[in-house]
Amino acid sequence: NAGVMQNPRHLVRRRGQEARLRCSPMKGHSHVYWYRQLPEEGLKFMVYLQKENIIDESGMPKERFSAEFPKEGPSILRIQQVVRGDSAAYFCASSPYRPETQYFGPGTRLLVL
Amino acid sequence: LAKTTQPISMDSYEGQEVNITCSHNNIATNDYITWYQQFPSQGPRFIIQGYKTKVTNEVASLFIPADRKSSTLSLPRVSLSDTAVYYCLVGELEYGNKLVFGAGTILRVKS
Repeated sequence: NAGVMQNPRHLVRRRGQEARLRCSPMKGHSHVYWYRQLPEEGLKFMVYLQKENIIDESGMPKERFSAEFPKEGPSILRIQQVVRGDSAAYFCASSPYRPETQYFGPGTRLLVL
Repeated sequence: LAKTTQPISMDSYEGQEVNITCSHNNIATNDYITWYQQFPSQGPRFIIQGYKTKVTNEVASLFIPADRKSSTLSLPRVSLSDTAVYYCLVGELEYGNKLVFGAGTILRVKS
């Protein structure tokens, strides 16, 4: 049973470009969560999605950030017009139903030059 | 939201038992207590979860007193590979499904 998969593992973008981060949840999991971890800090919740629905986006910046979890395919976290402050590790987690038992992927490390 | 307090760091030696205590004075009735482990450059890994008394699995034990205002993660006979950051989280069933991570406890295991 494969775990949560994220790609790419590392992503380098120049300021103003777009970043697309992908997350494939564990088989049978229909709940996806995105978290961001800045250097030397703990993880911060960004958004919680179920298939085709955004349930809680209270942690998402109001501008430039969007997320989706289509009926088919992986969940996508999209960052438009990236700035240096977006450099961080972005983790995706999935769960079958209970919010506490979230299983995390290896993360995507975004570096904005 | 229930806030958690953990020691910033702990040092131990191989083969010792390590106990990391977490305070959560404002824990709600429906909240569960969950511990995650994070190695450098990796995502957090679920370790153990409990509601009250004691829970044990192949990795750790979790002790929760009757008042549930604290909990203790116990790692038996640690090895160098247990060096990681350990996060104590309290479930937020009332406020949605997001996990709130604190700063965690940096555990350093020495030989």
